[in-house]
Formats: sequence, structure tokens, C-alpha cells
Amino acid sequence: GQNIDQPTEMTATEGAIVQINCTYQTSGFNGLFWYQQHAGEAPTFLSYNVLDGLEEKGRFSSFLSRSKGYSYLLLKELQMKDSASYLCAVRDSNYQLIWGAGTKLIIKP
Amino acid sequence: GAVVSQHPSRVICKSGTSVKIECRSLDFQATTMFWYRQFPKKSLMLMATSNEGSKATYEQGVEKDKFLINHASLTLSTLTVTSAHPEDSSFYICSAWRMNTEAFFGQGTRLTVV
Repeated sequence: GQNIDQPTEMTATEGAIVQINCTYQTSGFNGLFWYQQHAGEAPTFLSYNVLDGLEEKGRFSSFLSRSKGYSYLLLKELQMKDSASYLCAVRDSNYQLIWGAGTKLIIKP
Repeated sequence: GAVVSQHPSRVICKSGTSVKIECRSLDFQATTMFWYRQFPKKSLMLMATSNEGSKATYEQGVEKDKFLINHASLTLSTLTVTSAHPEDSSFYICSAWRMNTEAFFGQGTRLTVV
């Protein structure tokens, strides 16, 4: 079966750095995506990785290791507005998105 | 700005009535759109893949006669929840791919059936 694992909840302090991990087992691989979702809203696109390595975009970076079936989202200089759920999704060989359950990130002052 | 627009954002309807949700790609053509359902504290569940000019592809367990999907143009897909029941209350989200690397989502529709 196909499976995406990420922690259910994480807590971090404003101004700090947090890393959200995602491991996956899917039928094929055509890219890994990270989305941010605030409560009651639709997800918004954060990053896309298809090759191994680190993609940096402002305060957010995403890393991928295809051989390990592993990715992480790194958030720097945390702000209160970063409190949200972060969804990891993998596009499989059929170009379907397989979703993780999301990681709820709580930012404390 | 938003590249996928979904309407309405919230709707309350009575049991037994039908509700139509629209999903529009604003600045690109989408031959394929996706409809998701999300329960509280749960991840997105793909309901169906909407294909322009042809029948939608439904995921296992999703009733195609209850969730009618029409994709009449390259920028518009609609989901109609027919004979709605309280258990259909949920958050429905559409998405469309742009350039095959970004899936943009509509704002979502909070459906409450009373």
C-alpha cells in the first residue's frame, strides 16, 4: 500500500527553527509537495521537490532524499502566523497525489 | 492572487436538497481538476478526477450518482451534492494543476446540511 508518515503535532517557539519530517512509501515517485493549511482554509502551495537535495525559498526550505523515501520542511525565524498544519504529499506513478495526515505546528511566544 | 476560485465558500442547506459548488481556474486552462473532501483533523481525501469533455473518474467508495461532476469547459468544473444528508457536511476543496508542478487549490466550500 501507499503511505505517507509525518508527526501529528509539533510545538516550537517564535523566532526559532523547526523541521517537519515526512517519510513515504508510494507506487512510483513524480515529486513531493509541501502545503500549508490554516484552520478552515484550503491548502496553499509551499514547495516542490523532484530531485534530491535542498530547495530554499525564503524562510522555508524543503529537502528530499528519494533513496530514503524522506523529506523535511524547515521553517526558520518562526512567526506566530506560521501556526498551521503542514501537509506532505507525494505524486505517484499515476500522477495521483498521496497525502499525509498533516502536522499541526503550534508556535508559542 | 488566487488562480483557482471556488464558490460558494460556505453553504447551509436542508436535507434532501442539492448543492452545486463551482471551481474555476482563473488564468490557466485545466483539462483536469480534482475534488477533495476533508473531515476535521483529517487529511484530504480524493473524491474524483474531473476531466474536461468526458466523464469524471471517481475513487472507490464515492457515489457518482450522489456527487455529480461536470467539467464543461477548460476553466470550470462543478460538483453537485444531490439529496444532501447531514453526513455530507464537510469541507470540499477543488484543485487544478498548472504546468504540472503546482497544484493550486480553491478556497474550499464548507457545506453544512441541516
